[in-house]
Amino acid sequence: DTEVTQTPKHLVMGMTNKKSLKCEQHMGHRAMYWYKQKAKKPPELMFVYSYEKLSINESVPSRFSPECPNSSLLNLHLHALQPEDSALYLCASRHTGSVTQYFGPGTRLTVL
Amino acid sequence: SQELEQSPQSLIVQEGKNLTINCTSSKTLYGLYWYKQKYGEGLIFLMMLQKGGEEKSHEKITAKLDEKKQQSSLHITASQPSHAGIYLCGAAPKTAGQNFVFGPGTRLSVLP
Repeated sequence: DTEVTQTPKHLVMGMTNKKSLKCEQHMGHRAMYWYKQKAKKPPELMFVYSYEKLSINESVPSRFSPECPNSSLLNLHLHALQPEDSALYLCASRHTGSVTQYFGPGTRLTVL
Repeated sequence: SQELEQSPQSLIVQEGKNLTINCTSSKTLYGLYWYKQKYGEGLIFLMMLQKGGEEKSHEKITAKLDEKKQQSSLHITASQPSHAGIYLCGAAPKTAGQNFVFGPGTRLSVLP
């Protein structure tokens, strides 16, 4: 099983809303990632969690708040987003000691 | 920092034709990944190359890494509409905790 799942598949929110994106994997991977991908651009790294602790934050605005409640689950809490935050948000996970990342299908976020 | 370039930027081929996508790194690669992405969806892992001169094949897709480990090519034989999508090369970090850098992608369309 090399599946990373993400919910919801699509999300439309207003600038004053609070919403969360969810990512889940049951492969025993202890590194999990959030990427942001704008149209016709490659994915850009946002956050990395290693053993449920935040290890990398690529200078992401505080309106994005990641959370890793356990080794299988990664959340991205969204608050007061801007229209330019509209993008495909991808989650990935990796087994310790391997560099191969497995990606989820993404959440298409639209901020109105 | 490491940068990846891909060529061509986009490609339209007739079904049944062969094609090649190239990825060039500004620095020697520790390893090189190829991913495929359908529009608005997650990334599908294709293969990883680590040794200079290495070549791997999966079904009709063959990837090679040059001896200097700075250039990789992805070759598709007898293309099919199912091959359509965006092909992304990614530079594998030297250690598992480092960031993953993607190339800009090559958009492939296969006409039936």
